[in-house]
Amino acid sequence: QITLKESGPMLVRPTQTLTLTCSFSGFSLNTSGVGVGWIRQPPGKALQWLAVIYWNENKQSSPSLKSRLSITKDTSRDQVVLTMTNMDTVDTATYYCVYSEEAYFDFWSGLYLNWVDSWGQGTLVTVSS
Amino acid sequence: EILMTQSPGTLSVSPGERVTLSCRASQSVNTNLAWYQQKPGQAPRLLIYAASTRATGVPARFSGSGSGTEFTLTISSLQSEDFAVYICQQHNSWPGTFGQGTKLEIK
Repeated sequence: QITLKESGPMLVRPTQTLTLTCSFSGFSLNTSGVGVGWIRQPPGKALQWLAVIYWNENKQSSPSLKSRLSITKDTSRDQVVLTMTNMDTVDTATYYCVYSEEAYFDFWSGLYLNWVDSWGQGTLVTVSS
Repeated sequence: EILMTQSPGTLSVSPGERVTLSCRASQSVNTNLAWYQQKPGQAPRLLIYAASTRATGVPARFSGSGSGTEFTLTISSLQSEDFAVYICQQHNSWPGTFGQGTKLEIK
């Protein structure tokens, strides 16, 4: 059974850096095709991909947020960590850790693509002074 | 980024009815489209990927179709547990973008 659980602060001050940890079980991030990433959902708004890291160390981030995002993995601890710098009130959202089993390579863009097979329960992060 | 548009925003239907939800992409995504179901206070759940492939454990009453820019999700006979928000996502280009969702409510 695949499980993902997010942990991190519920409240962040503007300009601070957010660090979220995803602890997962039921799969290995060393398995070919696997990716673990982060998606957020502001209240009443659409879901938005933030970043993903794949089994082969490839990392991808949303172009609009790339300068603020960092994603790393610790395979020995089955964890993925997302950091987002310079937080703003518009970053208030539920942040989900997600798992993709079958990422595929798009030769045209040189990037990996995937749908989301499993989601964590999500963690609401509020940015407020 | 590809814009995903879902219609209608809300649909009032009765249990047992057949319902078709629409998702449109601002440019072709081939058949690289997924559907998710999201209930209040819960994370989304994968229903369909690659436009028409049901995810593991998804009941056969859910089916997806379409290609290019027009896609549909059909629920053949609505059950009480199907009242939720349905969200499409293109996985044809990075970052995979999501629609705003269609909410199915009980009529």
